[in-house]
Amino acid sequence: QQQVKQSPQSLIVQKGGISIINCAYENTAFDYFPWYQQFPGKGPALLIAIRPDVSEKKEGRFTISFNKSAKQFSLHIMDSQPGDSATYFCAASKGGGSNYKLTFGKGTLLTVNP
Amino acid sequence: GAVVSQHPSRVICKSGTSVKIECRSLDFQATTMFWYRQFPKQSLMLMATSNEGSKATYEQGVEKDKFLINHASLTLSTLTVTSAHPEDSSFYICSARAPQTVPPYSGNTIYFGEGSWLTVV
Repeated sequence: QQQVKQSPQSLIVQKGGISIINCAYENTAFDYFPWYQQFPGKGPALLIAIRPDVSEKKEGRFTISFNKSAKQFSLHIMDSQPGDSATYFCAASKGGGSNYKLTFGKGTLLTVNP
Repeated sequence: GAVVSQHPSRVICKSGTSVKIECRSLDFQATTMFWYRQFPKQSLMLMATSNEGSKATYEQGVEKDKFLINHASLTLSTLTVTSAHPEDSSFYICSARAPQTVPPYSGNTIYFGEGSWLTVV
């Protein structure tokens, strides 16, 4: 059972455009939703994260929109640049005990054309 | 953000030998570290969770005797691939859970290492 569904699988955007990646989750116990950016051959880097008590969070060109009732959250990259070309993973987690772990989406390969 | 260092970044070993990969949290103490495996163009597959001072918790389908995980200190976890075979060749990534004293002060933030490419020949 895939607990976090991510779409699209791949995305091509022109420089300066807006990139939008969507994720949907099933487990209502999830209470932390980070996004990671991964370049080829590198480990994922934390981009931005949100908690369900907030509907939107913005950091620079990156914005997370969160819809608790729909159990969906999305990443918006404004003014997309070729340097943003990477694979993006959404994730979700719950609680804070010793069993804490992230559940990842399958990833979105973003290509920003110059 | 906090830094997680992984070493070596690339390793080639002969079939049947063992290889160790180290994961260090450089500027924070991590009570929990995680090991992932990633195949090309796929998502991260959690192999195991290690809590400092206790045995690792392995995900279903991961061989405990093949992938030995040790979390001996609050800043170091190691993954040893024993009796490696070509099918173990993969990209292995560790991560560490940062405490609330580390930005962004959530207590739930997980920072990843740069990954280690293992090639078994």
